[in-house]
Amino acid sequence: DAMVIQNPRYQVTQFGKPVTLSCSQTLNHNVMYWYQQKSSQAPKLLFHYYDKDFNNEADTPDNFQSRRPNTSFCFLDIRSPGLGDAAMYLCATSRVPPNLYFGAGTRLSVL
Amino acid sequence: GENVEQHPSTLSVQEGDSAVIKCTYSDSASNYFPWYKQELGKGPQLIIDIRSNVGEKKDQRIAVTLNKTAKHFSLHITETQPEDSAVYFCAASNYGGSQGNLIFGKGTKLSVKP
Repeated sequence: DAMVIQNPRYQVTQFGKPVTLSCSQTLNHNVMYWYQQKSSQAPKLLFHYYDKDFNNEADTPDNFQSRRPNTSFCFLDIRSPGLGDAAMYLCATSRVPPNLYFGAGTRLSVL
Repeated sequence: GENVEQHPSTLSVQEGDSAVIKCTYSDSASNYFPWYKQELGKGPQLIIDIRSNVGEKKDQRIAVTLNKTAKHFSLHITETQPEDSAVYFCAASNYGGSQGNLIFGKGTKLSVKP
């Protein structure tokens, strides 16, 4: 039973066309994270929500935004995707940081 | 800030042999060290973790050791099986401190040959 669910699993978008990735969780965890993972690299934290409190990493580009309308859902918005934004995007949750539960990821392609 | 180095980047072993992956960290305040396994097309999954007040932890075929003085920790997998083939990530965190988020190493691709 998937506890952190990411949709879609694969997303293709055009250069500059806004795209939204979604994440939902059934764990009732209060912290939700978005990571970017490029091929053969470690996951890189973009931002996280501690309840409704948004925490942005200093080096996350302004092109990346996030929304968390409720405990269960969190969205990653890429306003103007560039070729360099093609990557796997991983959502994770935790009740008590830093123990993370990851979703399966969304692989984003930018044409 | 914290920096985590992981070696080797690739590791190939015969089924039944042992595998060892090593990581070093830079921030002496780090106190939590998990290991994640990522299979192809899936998200990372926690397999074992250790806190700074413990030197070694074992869970069946998997063990982790921590040397706080030298600031390094290692993952040991004994009696490897083909299903152990995956990418393994170490990570470090100063949980409760100023840097509570996990910092990951670059990963080790483990291949277990039947």
